[in-house]
Amino acid sequence: TQLLEQSPQFLSIQEGENLTVYCNSSSVFSSLQWYRQEPGEGPVLLVTVVTGGEVKKLKRLTFQFGDARKDSSLHITAAQPGDTGLYLCAGVRDSNYQLIWGAGTKLIIKP
Amino acid sequence: ETGVTQSPTHLIKTRGQQVTLRCSSQSGHNTVSWYQQALGQGPQFIFQYYREEENGRGNFPPRFSGLQFPNYSSELNVNALELDDSALYLCASSFGGEGGLYGYTFGSGTRLTVV
Repeated sequence: TQLLEQSPQFLSIQEGENLTVYCNSSSVFSSLQWYRQEPGEGPVLLVTVVTGGEVKKLKRLTFQFGDARKDSSLHITAAQPGDTGLYLCAGVRDSNYQLIWGAGTKLIIKP
Repeated sequence: ETGVTQSPTHLIKTRGQQVTLRCSSQSGHNTVSWYQQALGQGPQFIFQYYREEENGRGNFPPRFSGLQFPNYSSELNVNALELDDSALYLCASSFGGEGGLYGYTFGSGTRLTVV
């Protein structure tokens, strides 16, 4: 059983469209981190949300942490081909700060 | 400041052999975590070292072992390799225990193929 359910697993859309990726759990997390991973590379941290209800923006990307700190979303406005990649959410749940990962969303933006 | 470096980048081993993967943490980071990532999946936590002590372990058998050195670099050792061990092995570092709360810096990984 995946502790962090990430959806959708795969998304292919046209350039200029908007999209949202979801990361849900029944567990409370101390923080929720979003990473982007290119093929053959390690994940690169995009943002960390810590406070329930927190919203962070990174250019066209908007990240939100649920009020109860059990879920998070990533919204991309006007997607561009450069946004193509694997997006991973990961949560910190215990005092050892180990990451619990979602399965990832493979995003393809077609020009 | 240098990031996390892993070596080797690629490795091919035969079933039953042993392998050692290496990781140099980002400058100033004293916590190192290791992850296994199968193709098309999210990473799975193997174990974590903080100040040379293992302080967390995922659901991996004892043939996966590790070490952290005084300079905070780390090794992952896998004995009796199985075909299912074929994966990308990622090393990540952070500063202190609490540093992980805010994010980790990952290396590019070691692609291990077991034949």
